[in-house]
Amino acid sequence: DTAVSQTPKYLVTQMGNDKSIKCEQNLGHDTMYWYKQDSKKFLKIMFSYNNKELIINETVPNRFSPKSPDKAHLNLHINSLELGDSAVYFCASSQDTARYQPQHFGDGTRLSIL
Amino acid sequence: AQKVTQAQTEISVVEKEDVTLDCVYETRDTTYYLFWYKQPPSGELVFLIRRNSFDEQNEISGRYSWNFQKSTSSFNFTITASQVVDSAVYFCALRSGGAGSYQLTFGKGTKLSVIP
Repeated sequence: DTAVSQTPKYLVTQMGNDKSIKCEQNLGHDTMYWYKQDSKKFLKIMFSYNNKELIINETVPNRFSPKSPDKAHLNLHINSLELGDSAVYFCASSQDTARYQPQHFGDGTRLSIL
Repeated sequence: AQKVTQAQTEISVVEKEDVTLDCVYETRDTTYYLFWYKQPPSGELVFLIRRNSFDEQNEISGRYSWNFQKSTSSFNFTITASQVVDSAVYFCALRSGGAGSYQLTFGKGTKLSVIP
């Protein structure tokens, strides 16, 4: 009965490859997010989707492309991986109509680029 | 623009000591929401507490307590009688209450080490 689940938990790959991270939430929330946590633990928003519509698109290289097939899923595809992409990526969800409610986070995907 | 400052990068305490983690925020909104999250060594982000800008009541939950003061734009977190299991990185976060505002702005986190 995991609320927000991400796969894979670990991703080790070589520079130049293309990879995807999947996220699913079973909380019935209408908004989903991708955050990046760097090596210094700083958490920064990358993207947000509300009802499958992109609403936040921070300054992120266009090698990163989010896709939301439905309200319960938000996947992150990364092309031409670079060393600087190594980080932990967190998916989160919340109910936008209840803005005071916390965002619920997945366990993170640790991406390591060799 | 919103900003959250956690000035303490790392804190070490001996078990059973009390410890306070500071959080100072900046926002122009009159309605906003403050959160604390815990990130233990296992890496997940665990929600601890939420506070609305119009509710300045302090809150206590077991050994945890939170002191929200609008006058100083602070939302500090105190752990009483700390335990080794409290060792983690703690994040303070802010969300605007305005329409169309979705993201959380996080502080840089405070790493707490509780030494047995």
